[in-house]
Amino acid sequence: GAGVSQSPSNKVTEKGKDVELRCDPISGHTALYWYRQSLGQGLEFLIYFQGNSAPDKSGLPSDRFSAERTGGSVSTLTIQRTQQEDSAVYLCASSSGTGAYNEQFFGPGTRLTVL
Amino acid sequence: GNSVTQMEGPVTLSEEAFLTINCTYTATGYPSLFWYVQYPGEGLQLLLKATKADDKGSNKGFEATYRKETTSFHLEKGSVQVSDSAVYFCALRGDNYGQNFVFGPGTRLSVLP
Repeated sequence: GAGVSQSPSNKVTEKGKDVELRCDPISGHTALYWYRQSLGQGLEFLIYFQGNSAPDKSGLPSDRFSAERTGGSVSTLTIQRTQQEDSAVYLCASSSGTGAYNEQFFGPGTRLTVL
Repeated sequence: GNSVTQMEGPVTLSEEAFLTINCTYTATGYPSLFWYVQYPGEGLQLLLKATKADDKGSNKGFEATYRKETTSFHLEKGSVQVSDSAVYFCALRGDNYGQNFVFGPGTRLSVLP
């Protein structure tokens, strides 16, 4: 597709369950980002992949959160033992190249609800 | 580290009013600056950008000028419409290899008819 896609669009889960969120970036984009947006809040940076470099995990809120990016393309964000405070919209974005002028393109997000 | 500060909202205006949303930044070197917009129920999309000092980004009647002397990138529009109601995010990306994006907290704008 032409844009960043994410799946599922909505996910409802029970507290304590694990969830996986998927992001397909724009083809050829070397940078991929995950953010979290809680209701009425700004963007909270989670993790950043740039090419083959080690990811910047500085934004992950706890060790229950992890992400991987296979083959430099698709990424999966995993949340283990979900808690109610994990409920939010999880946004993925990708960017081409490493130049400062390269903007991010955002996916539609996955709305996660933890009951 | 790099940071972005923008005016707290919400901002409520009447249709055809003049809009300014302030944004200032802290960064080393020569970052690029962006404004993103999030309309109700939609994802974030790029509104405009500027990649060097004194550049003016513009789109849909919105403008912002990259002012290095004041480290600012204020968003302006001369006459807002109801359809401009959204959340606006100021962001920067540093000029070092692999630099991450830094976003401001967002400013919610409501335009009343």
